Amino acid sequence: GESVGLHLPTLSVQEGDNSIINCAYSNSASDYFIWYKQESGKGPQFIIDIRSNMDKRQGQRVTVLLNKTVKHLSLQIAATQPGDSAVYFCAERWDSWGKLQFGAGTQVVVTP
Amino acid sequence: NAGVTQTPKFQVLKTGQSMTLQCAQDMNHEYMSWYRQDPGMGLRLIHYSVGAGITDQGEVPNGYNVSRSTTEDFPLRLLSAAPSQTSVYFCASSYTGGGGYTFGSGTRLTVV
Repeated sequence: GESVGLHLPTLSVQEGDNSIINCAYSNSASDYFIWYKQESGKGPQFIIDIRSNMDKRQGQRVTVLLNKTVKHLSLQIAATQPGDSAVYFCAERWDSWGKLQFGAGTQVVVTP
Repeated sequence: NAGVTQTPKFQVLKTGQSMTLQCAQDMNHEYMSWYRQDPGMGLRLIHYSVGAGITDQGEVPNGYNVSRSTTEDFPLRLLSAAPSQTSVYFCASSYTGGGGYTFGSGTRLTVV
């Protein structure tokens, strides 16, 4: 069936650099695309979302880009810090039932 | 404001035993969902609910039952535990609009 997937399982980033995490999706009917951060032993934490009729949204140190033409989603983290080390999941949501489907995740490792 | 509360945090079951994982939210969210997360994997949807009295199956519903008698509570029942159900279980809730779900801290279940 249709699914959300990620290109890279592990991303190593030097502290202070920018991080880019990519995600491919296949369901054009999704209403929202969401990024979650999960630290070891904790539940996923909402980072930022973007509605399907937008192509860019910015938060604090994070930017999400949505390219519907190629069905691609990315999360950019500016000035990556050690506290950004975690697994990052993209997810897509259908409004009518609120179903949230997750991709497999990318491990981000921030090195000093 | 407690958010999403899951109990217990840890549980060991013997094969064939039944149990109920509890989930409660105090944010008056209409949508609630249960996910399981296996090691190194993403989150897979078990069951979800769009309001009291309304539930539906997700990707991996076999072996699990849910009910939603109140807005606040969404318990997950394991009917006859199997080793394949060893996993971390997350409950989440959301408003009807918007992208993000709020997750609980999880229940780590081991079936021996």
